[in-house]
Amino acid sequence: DTAVSQTPKYLVTQMGNDKSIKCEQNLGHDTMYWYKQDSKKFLKIMFSYNNKELIINETVPNRFSPKSPDKAHLNLHINSLELGDSAVYFCASGTGTLNTEAFFGQGTRLTVV
Amino acid sequence: RKEVEQDPGPFNVPEGATVAFNCTYSNSASQSFFWYRQDCRKEPKLLMSVYSSGNEDGRFTAQLNRASQYISLLIRDSKLSDSATYLCVVILTGGGNKLTFGTGTQLKVEL
Repeated sequence: DTAVSQTPKYLVTQMGNDKSIKCEQNLGHDTMYWYKQDSKKFLKIMFSYNNKELIINETVPNRFSPKSPDKAHLNLHINSLELGDSAVYFCASGTGTLNTEAFFGQGTRLTVV
Repeated sequence: RKEVEQDPGPFNVPEGATVAFNCTYSNSASQSFFWYRQDCRKEPKLLMSVYSSGNEDGRFTAQLNRASQYISLLIRDSKLSDSATYLCVVILTGGGNKLTFGTGTQLKVEL
């Protein structure tokens, strides 16, 4: 059983389109995250939710809108895609406490053309 | 200045070598420390937590120096399968306990 699963794994789309990435975790965790890994491989947090409540919202364009319908799901919707949005997006989950591991999904490789 | 800094490498070492990676963090309020490993085109996975007293897991030893805000990872007897990017991760208390990643250090173990 996959602990944190994201779909789709690959996404190629044109500039200006709107797309969504879905994430689900079956670990019973309260906290979920979205991270972006750019071409230089730097992983940067975008959002964090705890029990469906937005906790962290880093400096991310408002074209990016996360939605958490329940604590097992955290989806990411992106409007008006730009070339610079091309990256790998990772969903992760954890207990949200200090000393525990975060589990990552396999990533969604987004290419905007 | 980045919150967590690492030498990006790559470190190219022969099999059997000992290699050490360093990481510095800027926020003295950081509370938890980890090393994650990321294989090419894969997701990051926890390698080990880093405790104040230092800790060891097989061939891997992690050290923390709070005074210098410095974390290290030592790999002994390197294997080909150790080739990966090693990510230093720091958690600050409050604000959702977000994991802040370093840029990663690439290790290539060669025959």
